[in-house]
Amino acid sequence: KAGVTQTPRYLIKTRGQQVTLSCSPISGHRSVSWYQQTPGQGLQFLFEYFSETQRNKGNFPGRFSGRQFSNSRSEMNVSTLELGDSALYLCASGLAGYLTDTQYFGPGTRLTVL
Amino acid sequence: AQSVAQPEDQVNVAEGNPLTVKCTYSVSGNPYLFWYVQYPNRGLQFLLKYITGDNLVKGSYGFEAEFNKSQTSFHLKKPSALVSDSALYFCAVIMDTGRRALTFGSGTRLQVQP
Repeated sequence: KAGVTQTPRYLIKTRGQQVTLSCSPISGHRSVSWYQQTPGQGLQFLFEYFSETQRNKGNFPGRFSGRQFSNSRSEMNVSTLELGDSALYLCASGLAGYLTDTQYFGPGTRLTVL
Repeated sequence: AQSVAQPEDQVNVAEGNPLTVKCTYSVSGNPYLFWYVQYPNRGLQFLLKYITGDNLVKGSYGFEAEFNKSQTSFHLKKPSALVSDSALYFCAVIMDTGRRALTFGSGTRLQVQP
């Protein structure tokens, strides 16, 4: 089975712009979660989607949003980019969305905000 | 609330020697515990998890971890380290009554010297 794929792998944007990141989960997986990784804050949970519904949300401002499509693919959007949004954004997929499910991570999208 | 502590920023070990990467957790319910490894410019790779049952969990690439409820620890171990094990290791927790969002430790860099 193919793993979790994320596109694009690298992005460079300027402050004030918006960006959309894409994630395709492992075939058959219905849960998709997003995490932000920075040197200062480490790995932080953004949100989780299951069957096209956002089930959980982390402590991030409303500029961060996402959605999930009927084929389980997910997109994450960040509007009005700030320098502090520079990070590695990781997507993880899970089979059925249970707490005990293993979350399998993609390679990430490296976002640089100038 | 839940939290994970990885008290060592870096662990150095000689190839062929046993290695231990420490993790302690704090949750108000029963924990589900995970270990992931991250290689440079890559996403997180799942190693093993503890859900319930046997306190000794065996995972990928010869790694294992021991769940100790009284000490609230979940240390990662390997009997014989390889140079290729050099990477960043993350411990993570989900509480059994919580939401489906991994809380990660700050990470421990493992350096295996030839």
